[in-house]
Amino acid sequence: EAGVAQSPRYKIIEKRQSVAFWCNPISGHATLYWYQQILGQGPKLLIQFQNNGVVDDSQLPKDRFSAERLKGVDSTLKIQPAKLEDSAVYLCASSLGQLARNEQFFGPGTRLTVL
Amino acid sequence: QQQVKQSPQSLIVQKGGISIINCAYENTAFDYFPWYQQFPGKGPALLIAIRPDVSEKKEGRFTISFNKSAKQFSLHIMDSQPGDSATYFCAATLGNTNAGKSTFGDGTTLTVKP
Repeated sequence: EAGVAQSPRYKIIEKRQSVAFWCNPISGHATLYWYQQILGQGPKLLIQFQNNGVVDDSQLPKDRFSAERLKGVDSTLKIQPAKLEDSAVYLCASSLGQLARNEQFFGPGTRLTVL
Repeated sequence: QQQVKQSPQSLIVQKGGISIINCAYENTAFDYFPWYQQFPGKGPALLIAIRPDVSEKKEGRFTISFNKSAKQFSLHIMDSQPGDSATYFCAATLGNTNAGKSTFGDGTTLTVKP
């Protein structure tokens, strides 16, 4: 079974530029998550989708971050404009459903460096 | 708001020793407690998880101990091996009415010396 795919793996941008990350979840997984993992910290949930609807985006900085999951499969996370403090690894995860005990499978992440 | 506190930040153990990582939570609405293992350049992977109505769960060399009244849980790695060297995260997950949202601790970097 193929895992969660993410691209690009690495991205370096200047502050105030925009950037987009792509995620392809495991086939058949209805729930998709985007996490931000700052160096030395645990993953922090940014947004959670159930199929193509948003379940939770309470920690998404909506003035600069946006995400979409068209057709309930692939998802894109965008940052515009980027700030220095956005430097982090952005992890995508998916699960069969949003039950607490549904295992979340993580992709390898995209490491973003904002200069 | 730090809802899940994890300690220690780093841990060095000799091969064959026992590694113990502790976590404490505040929100009694948490309903599931998974532990994740993360290697450099990889995403976290589920290691073992426990429900709050169980005090202990063992899978191979990995054991979770859970104390509901103290709102604490811990991961024990028996007979630690160099291949166990990784970062470990505890997490606490809300119940199904809250869409199973997870909050992670800040991680423990484990080094097992041969």
